[in-house]
Amino acid sequence: AQSVAQPEDQVNVAEGNPLTVKCTYSVSGNPYLFWYVQYPNRGLQFLLKYITGDNLVKGSYGFEAEFNKSQTSFHLKKPSALVSDSALYFCAVRGYGNNRLAFGKGNQVVVIP
Amino acid sequence: NAGVTQTPKFRILKIGQSMTLQCTQDMNHNYMYWYRQDPGMGLKLIYYSVGAGITDKGEVPNGYNVSRSTTEDFPLRLELAAPSQTSVYFCASSYYGESGDEQYFGPGTRLTVT
Repeated sequence: AQSVAQPEDQVNVAEGNPLTVKCTYSVSGNPYLFWYVQYPNRGLQFLLKYITGDNLVKGSYGFEAEFNKSQTSFHLKKPSALVSDSALYFCAVRGYGNNRLAFGKGNQVVVIP
Repeated sequence: NAGVTQTPKFRILKIGQSMTLQCTQDMNHNYMYWYRQDPGMGLKLIYYSVGAGITDKGEVPNGYNVSRSTTEDFPLRLELAAPSQTSVYFCASSYYGESGDEQYFGPGTRLTVT
């Protein structure tokens, strides 16, 4: 079985401060890890992914994520948050050889001006 | 490319009615998926397809049916609508399912069953 935990329902951060959205996963074997963002009344947009290689992955809109195998985590980060980053963020995992993606419940990020 | 398109955007159904949610992708992707999104619950996979003529159940298939007669189209059918099917439905596609390919999502269909 594969699963994702996003422990916080909402993350509040002041504009210009660092933003972190936490994600831990459970999967058999090597994981493929993804972050998606959803703006109000829109579909999910792909941000970044980890497949293999460098543990620090850079993605769209200045976001990055760090894969930590020992802690089974894949936290999303942005050095300086913008008000326009306010959205719902989903972490997802797929185990090697599995053709289904398991999503976390999502984290609402609120960036305060 | 239009990517993944879904119709309709909104729909209200009465209990027991039927409808088909349409999904089309123009990226020549092999894999297509249907998810439902309920508040605070993330996305749950309803059905998926690995290619034309091949479909399989996801986590929550009861009350739904799908078909995949072409690479581009993957309609989702609700036969006897129930209030529990009130949700936002997303279609997605990817080139391969087992690799590191990301999924591309449509804009969603908001369905209310009363």
